[in-house]
Amino acid sequence: ETGVTQTPRHLVMGMTNKKSLKCEQHLGHNAMYWYKQSAKKPLELMFVYSLEERVENNSVPSRFSPECPNSSHLFLHLHTLQPEDSALYLCASSQGTSGANVLTFGAGSRLTVL
Amino acid sequence: AQSVTQLGSHVSVSEGALVLLRCNYSSSVPPYLFWYVQYPNQGLQLLLKYTTGATLVKGINGFEAEFKKSETSFHLTKPSAHMSDAAEYFCAVTPPTGGGFKTIFGAGTRLFVKA
Repeated sequence: ETGVTQTPRHLVMGMTNKKSLKCEQHLGHNAMYWYKQSAKKPLELMFVYSLEERVENNSVPSRFSPECPNSSHLFLHLHTLQPEDSALYLCASSQGTSGANVLTFGAGSRLTVL
Repeated sequence: AQSVTQLGSHVSVSEGALVLLRCNYSSSVPPYLFWYVQYPNQGLQLLLKYTTGATLVKGINGFEAEFKKSETSFHLTKPSAHMSDAAEYFCAVTPPTGGGFKTIFGAGTRLFVKA
């Protein structure tokens, strides 16, 4: 495996379910990100982890809970979601968090909340 | 506060025609500038970036962009469109200080290429 891998690629869940999205990067990067991509809206940064420590939480509702057990893995735990949370969730990584660093994205997890 | 504006949510060109996707930013200091492309069912991938130095930046797949400080613009061009260029393109800016998690993305421009 190379790059940034996200699983599952598609997820359908009810509002009372609990599920998790997984991201794994094989690039040796030390920063990982969760973005939300909704139709016709700019990408929204949700969380940033640098060296496994959360450095940014962009006012995300508590029904989204991130976890970064090591520098290669990032999870997004989901519970009691709302239909408006349906979106494409993108994971990204970078080497460092300098503004000049390039983000490498995974293919995304398409979430549908019924 | 920074902002990014991409003019036109959809752009349609004929195969072989010039591609021009517009990006303007608002920032108190010149930021780092990026163009990313997203093909269907894929994540974003970097096309090109400007940090310092030469203002005309060349990227992958024949794309290039020019940083114009006086116009606060970073428009993306390609001389001759190919069918495979059909995708969504995102302009992004990051302040030179404050870290990559300050990156702001534009709303995206979807490029259609007609045969």
